[in-house]
Amino acid sequence: RKEVEQDPGPFNVPEGATVAFNCTYSNSASQSFFWYRQDCRKEPKLLMSVYSSGNEDGRFTAQLNRASQYISLLIRDSKLSDSATYLCVVNTDRGSTLGRLYFGRGTQLTVWP
Amino acid sequence: NAGVTQTPKFQVLKTGQSMTLQCAQDMNHNSMYWYRQDPGMGLRLIYYSASEGTTDKGEVPNGYNVSRLNKREFSLRLESAAPSQTSVYFCASRDLEGANYGYTFGSGTRLTVV
Repeated sequence: RKEVEQDPGPFNVPEGATVAFNCTYSNSASQSFFWYRQDCRKEPKLLMSVYSSGNEDGRFTAQLNRASQYISLLIRDSKLSDSATYLCVVNTDRGSTLGRLYFGRGTQLTVWP
Repeated sequence: NAGVTQTPKFQVLKTGQSMTLQCAQDMNHNSMYWYRQDPGMGLRLIYYSASEGTTDKGEVPNGYNVSRLNKREFSLRLESAAPSQTSVYFCASRDLEGANYGYTFGSGTRLTVV
């Protein structure tokens, strides 16, 4: 079983729509969580960290449910520039040992005019 | 703000040739990583280095070797390239102390083995 599972999509939504991505992880000891964004033929870039209490950054809201081992990303008022692949990422650190991140395969989003 | 610099950006090799992918970071990060990304497979860890002088295998190390030359540099070597190693390679670094911080990636190397 993969460490991180995501719905690959693709999601095709009109501008202004609200879209949600989901992700599950298998290791209950996982310590920290992230969403990355990857544009076509570019490197992944950190979009936001995901905190236990949930967190928001402008139009983006991330949620974590440790009991269900579930992470979500909500994008409100979608823009054309949001078109990208969104990667769910989980850190399986063990205390002070090396931080190693596991990536989901990504969910592709296309926002159309 | 260079961040993580990878060279070369593109490379075509013939089967059996060797090459080294270079990676350097200027953020004083302890840990560095090499990933490959293939369509439908996502990012897979090849090798990583927790700190200068240490290296460890990731998920897909076969056919690769690495060297952590110093704190800044982490190179990936293909001794005898195979078509299955055609991929996009990303180097990344991370501050081991920053558990709530993710990776910084280089811009990638697109490698084709013919």
